Amino acid sequence: QVQLVQSGGEMKKPGSSVKVSCKASGGTLRRYAISWVRQAPGQGLEWMGGIIPMFGTANYAQKFQGRVTITADESTSTAYMELSSLRSDDTAVYYCARDVGSSSYSVVRFLDCVSWGQGTLVTVSS
Amino acid sequence: QSVLTQPPSVSAAPGQKVSISCSGSSSNIGIYYVSWYQRLPGTAPKLLIYDNDKRPSGIPDRFSGSKTRTSATLGITGLQTGDEADYYCGTWDSSLSAVVFGGGTKLTVL
Repeated sequence: QVQLVQSGGEMKKPGSSVKVSCKASGGTLRRYAISWVRQAPGQGLEWMGGIIPMFGTANYAQKFQGRVTITADESTSTAYMELSSLRSDDTAVYYCARDVGSSSYSVVRFLDCVSWGQGTLVTVSS
Repeated sequence: QSVLTQPPSVSAAPGQKVSISCSGSSSNIGIYYVSWYQRLPGTAPKLLIYDNDKRPSGIPDRFSGSKTRTSATLGITGLQTGDEADYYCGTWDSSLSAVVFGGGTKLTVL
């Protein structure tokens, strides 16, 4: 079973960028739909976007278009989420998550996240 | 303001049954499957239900899901104190081209 291990917490200044990594342990990411979901304090779940490495192209939620970049490095089985122009309301726990895996392309695969990383707290403060 | 509407909270006694509703529209629940997630305090979300009514391996049959037109419902029977958590519905929205979640429902087992 592929487990997801995320990078550690980050403290950032407003206006800067953060890059969170999500490494697959016990396998590769290639066949999985990888989603990035965040939860701000006292708020609900928010999908930021996702990528299926075997197909390459990322999908982004409109809210984050232009500010978020999701990539995957198959050689290291690691996915990345970079968020730029950080604001205080970007303070949140950021999760990567994967589906069960498939060789088909369907955006709805981003919905069924059966395995999650441990979460990365990103704090944006001056 | 969430695209999917859930009640903020529900409560019931141990052993009882509870239902959590999730209301959407023709651009999301009306045409796509619904998933349900449980988020226990301090932990990552857990997938409870996918494809409207299917349970992943390891999820007890106390949890069930259903969908009619533009609404979905999560049912939990035989409530336990360990079920106290936040529950979220989610689906794909064709207008937003994104996964959308409800605002979450806090379940209290009295």
